[in-house]
Amino acid sequence: GAVVSQHPSWVICKSGTSVKIECRSLDFQATTMFWYRQFPKQSLMLMATSNEGSKATYEQGVEKDKFLINHASLTLSTLTVTSAHPEDSSFYICSARDRRKGDLGQPQHFGDGTRLSIL
Amino acid sequence: AQSVTQLGSHVSVSEGALVLLRCNYSSSVPPYLFWYVQYPNQGLQLLLKYTSAATLVKGINGFEAEFKKSETSFHLTKPSAHMRDAAEYFCAVSSSGTYKYIFGTGTRLKVLA
Repeated sequence: GAVVSQHPSWVICKSGTSVKIECRSLDFQATTMFWYRQFPKQSLMLMATSNEGSKATYEQGVEKDKFLINHASLTLSTLTVTSAHPEDSSFYICSARDRRKGDLGQPQHFGDGTRLSIL
Repeated sequence: AQSVTQLGSHVSVSEGALVLLRCNYSSSVPPYLFWYVQYPNQGLQLLLKYTSAATLVKGINGFEAEFKKSETSFHLTKPSAHMRDAAEYFCAVSSSGTYKYIFGTGTRLKVLA
């Protein structure tokens, strides 16, 4: 149980294009999803908290207009990297919390990540 | 403010030897603590979690961790390392009052044949 699917797993695109990454909870509903960025050999950096039906909450220093987050349903959140440039190249990971389990002790369930390479 | 410190960015052990990965936390309230494992080019997999029910927590793949309040520690151990345990391990604390995690910097475990 508690499977999170992230798609695509790998994408290469030209500078200036926009890239959309999907994060789906397959066997549970998630009112809250998280988007992380991970640089090589480093820890995960939280970018934003995605809440179903409302605007995402971005961490300090993360550009809202660069990284658009939409959480339109209880099982899907998307991250769109707009006008991507080489410095946006990174490993992006999403996670989700089961809405039925509200206490803080319940874990986040992670997707397998998306490796984004901007040429 | 809460924080997590993982001592040792790289740990090497021989196959069959004890694995000890260190995690210390700072929290003004009872924390929720988690250990995750990450294999190359993959997301994070939950190994175990501490939520105050028991101080010794058993997880998957033979791992366990002991919560020690007096030492503010939550070290991860495994009695006998296997080659497949080679991966990156992250300790995380659930941020006070929110569902957000604060991650440690990670420890890369290398298992020598």
